[in-house]
Amino acid sequence: GAVVSQHPSRVICKSGTSVKIECRSLDFQATTMFWYRQFPKQSLMLMATSNEGSKATYEQGVEKDKFLINHASLTLSTLTVTSAHPEDSSFYICSASEGGYNEQFFGPGTRLTVL
Amino acid sequence: ELKVEQNPLFLSMQEGKNYTIYCNYSTTSDRLYWYRQDPGKSLESLFVLLSNGAVKQEGRLMASLDTKARLSTLHITAAVHDLSATYFCAVDRLGNEKLTFGTGTRLTIIP
Repeated sequence: GAVVSQHPSRVICKSGTSVKIECRSLDFQATTMFWYRQFPKQSLMLMATSNEGSKATYEQGVEKDKFLINHASLTLSTLTVTSAHPEDSSFYICSASEGGYNEQFFGPGTRLTVL
Repeated sequence: ELKVEQNPLFLSMQEGKNYTIYCNYSTTSDRLYWYRQDPGKSLESLFVLLSNGAVKQEGRLMASLDTKARLSTLHITAAVHDLSATYFCAVDRLGNEKLTFGTGTRLTIIP
């Protein structure tokens, strides 16, 4: 149980384009989903928290107009990196929980490379 | 602001040896997690520690929690090459679902 998937696993795009990453909870209802970013050899940094049907809450320093998060259903959240630049290249990991202070379960990650 | 520090950041150890990774956090926390990350992969959950004095063991790994000292340890017994990975601790607080991750410890087991 508690499986979270992400799609795509890898994406390469040109600078200036937008990229959408999907995060799905496969066997439970994810009231809350989290998006993290991890640069090489660094720890995970929380970007934003999203609750189903509500606007995402972004961490300080994360541009909400650049990283668009949608959590329209209890099994799907999407992160869209708009007008991507090389500095956005990173490993993006989502996690999902049933909310109410339940444990987070992590997706397999998406490696984004912006040329 | 909750801060989580791990040490050491890098650790090379020989197979068969024992060692401990330390995780310190700055403010009262309710749950402490240990994760493993292999290169290019996401996180694998190892342990969840919920209360002071909690100890959990799985194979050659044992984790403990001292909430008074705000310290958790991950002890490796008789290391084997398969344990080479980066290990992260993370904490959260009651009423706040957000996880704060430690800096990570990159463990390399040398034959």
